[in-house]
Amino acid sequence: GAGVSQSPSNKVTEKGKDVELRCDPISGHTALYWYRQSLGQGLEFLIYFQGNSAPDKSGLPSDRFSAERTGGSVSTLTIQRTQQEDSAVYLCASSLVVPGSYEQYFGPGTRLTVT
Amino acid sequence: GQNIDQPTEMTATEGAIVQINCTYQTSGFNGLFWYQQHAGEAPTFLSYNVLDGLEEKGRFSSFLSRSKGYSYLLLKELQMKDSASYLCAVKGTGTASKLTFGTGTRLQVTL
Repeated sequence: GAGVSQSPSNKVTEKGKDVELRCDPISGHTALYWYRQSLGQGLEFLIYFQGNSAPDKSGLPSDRFSAERTGGSVSTLTIQRTQQEDSAVYLCASSLVVPGSYEQYFGPGTRLTVT
Repeated sequence: GQNIDQPTEMTATEGAIVQINCTYQTSGFNGLFWYQQHAGEAPTFLSYNVLDGLEEKGRFSSFLSRSKGYSYLLLKELQMKDSASYLCAVKGTGTASKLTFGTGTRLQVTL
């Protein structure tokens, strides 16, 4: 497809378990972003990738959160030892990195529920 | 850091005009975005302002005043399908940099 895709769309997990969330960006988009949207909150930046490197990890809330990107394409966000406060919608976005190009295209998100 | 404020909720009537305001205080500024987000869906791009003034795109217009740290989104000829959350976001400096979002304004369009 032409858009950003994410999987799974919904994930229910028990507290303390690890989860992996996947993002497939738009082909050719070298920049990839992860955001989190909690109920009643704005989108919160987590991490940004340029190619396979992450020059900005400032939004990761704790060392239980990590992300990687391989081949300059697919990215995985991993949350270890999940806590109830991790429950949120995790959104991925991608964009081109050329002057004059500015729009970030969002995927449909993964709704994570920690019980 | 960044601080972005917008009203939490607004209600307007079908066919009317509504203005959603956004104020921001940022340490770096490289443009302001408006996104629309229907419940349970991904945000979709509406507009981008980097220079002062009004950008018009069909029924939607967006205004920016950098000196005042102020923007608004103007929606004309409201339709029921415009009921959604409208997110104001500021882009930091750098060609590819993160967006800092406000909490969003939930707009309800009524008959």
